Amino acid sequence: DVKVTQSSRYLVKRTGEKVFLECVQDMDHENMFWYRQDPGLGLRLIYFSYDVKMKEKGDIPEGYSVSREKKERFSLILESASTNQTSMYLCASSWGLTGDTVGTEAFFGQGTRLTVV
Amino acid sequence: SQQGEEDPQALSIQEGENATMNCSYKTSINNLQWYRQNSGRGLVHLILIRSNEREKHSGRLRVTLDTSKKSSSLLITASRAADTASYFCATDARGGGNKLTFGTGTQLKVEL
Repeated sequence: DVKVTQSSRYLVKRTGEKVFLECVQDMDHENMFWYRQDPGLGLRLIYFSYDVKMKEKGDIPEGYSVSREKKERFSLILESASTNQTSMYLCASSWGLTGDTVGTEAFFGQGTRLTVV
Repeated sequence: SQQGEEDPQALSIQEGENATMNCSYKTSINNLQWYRQNSGRGLVHLILIRSNEREKHSGRLRVTLDTSKKSSSLLITASRAADTASYFCATDARGGGNKLTFGTGTQLKVEL
């Protein structure tokens, strides 16, 4: 079974702290994603990576950065945490496009509920 | 931007009834996917339908896709209390490089 593991289930940080959210997948997936989920807004894409060291901004990248130094690990960084970044953060991974593949399912981690105080 | 919008936002039914959720999206797609989320947990993939398919079945799930109307529906037949969850559609847009864009979700409650 594919496993996507997020380093923390719950996290409480102070305003202004630098925060690292880690995500590891064990299926050699090319694609990895970071989403945040807020009530009434669904899931919004923060950043997407389709290969090691490659990244693309999603819909709401402001205040965030990412790092993908190894294929299995995708880190989300909050440079200076603010209270409006209190949210549920979800990491996901999927296979990349190959041949005539037109996309495949994403596998999600269990989520990290981050509270910034 | 939210690619998918689900309708209704919330749905409450009795066990044994069918549940239908709808999703509308804005751009051309490679495929559309449905996911389920139990309270406070990660999402679980349910079914994927490609842009050249019109209907797909998986157990008690039936998904339809109408690319001319840019809409999809998810039907859960003979619902059970364990089906209580939030359901999301996600689109893999053409030219989007596998990025999945999710809608706002439908909260389904199945009562005994």
